[in-house]
Amino acid sequence: DADVTQTPRNRITKTGKRIMLECSQTKGHDRMYWYRQDPGLGLRLIYYSFDVKDINKGEISDGYSVSRQAQAKFSLSLESAIPNQTALYFCATSDLRGKNIQYFGAGTRLSVL
Amino acid sequence: AQSVSQHNHHVILSEAASLELGCNYSYGGTVNLFWYVQYPGQHLQLLLKYFSGDPLVKGIKGFEAEFIKSKFSFNLRKPSVQWSDTAEYFCAVNGGYQKVTFGTGTKLQVIP
Repeated sequence: DADVTQTPRNRITKTGKRIMLECSQTKGHDRMYWYRQDPGLGLRLIYYSFDVKDINKGEISDGYSVSRQAQAKFSLSLESAIPNQTALYFCATSDLRGKNIQYFGAGTRLSVL
Repeated sequence: AQSVSQHNHHVILSEAASLELGCNYSYGGTVNLFWYVQYPGQHLQLLLKYFSGDPLVKGIKGFEAEFIKSKFSFNLRKPSVQWSDTAEYFCAVNGGYQKVTFGTGTKLQVIP
């Protein structure tokens, strides 16, 4: 089983719909992250959480929200999806003991029509 | 604040050619440096890392990287690439307790 699991793997939705992407991990890491990947732009950080009570905005948080339900779960929501949120979304985990080596999920490919 | 710059966006090489991908970072203190690789259709995975000690670090599949502190660089090298090295390569930096910052990536295409 994967250490970092993202659901769904693929999603097509319509403009204006609310959508939630979920991430769970079995690595016991305290830090979790949401990134989006767009061609030519690399990985851009949306939100990150260093523990259950800590939520921080990344460089492109507008239009997104997150919830850290437990140490192992970190969800990303698009309250009202728009077409330019079409992208590949990755969840990742790390911890300081591991020098912040990032472990990635398999990704969620989201298309907003 | 920390930042990472990757100079090459797209590199095309023939098999057996040597590879060097540039990475420069900015951060005023001690850093941890990483190279991640993303094979087509897959997620990112760690290729190699530098925390301290010998500035020349070796990773999987024959890759190595050299940390040159005076140049704020952490270039990735491989003496002889293979078709299976076709992937996107990301340099990343982590200073202190901050989050990790990724570069924009370099797409490597190896022609058989």
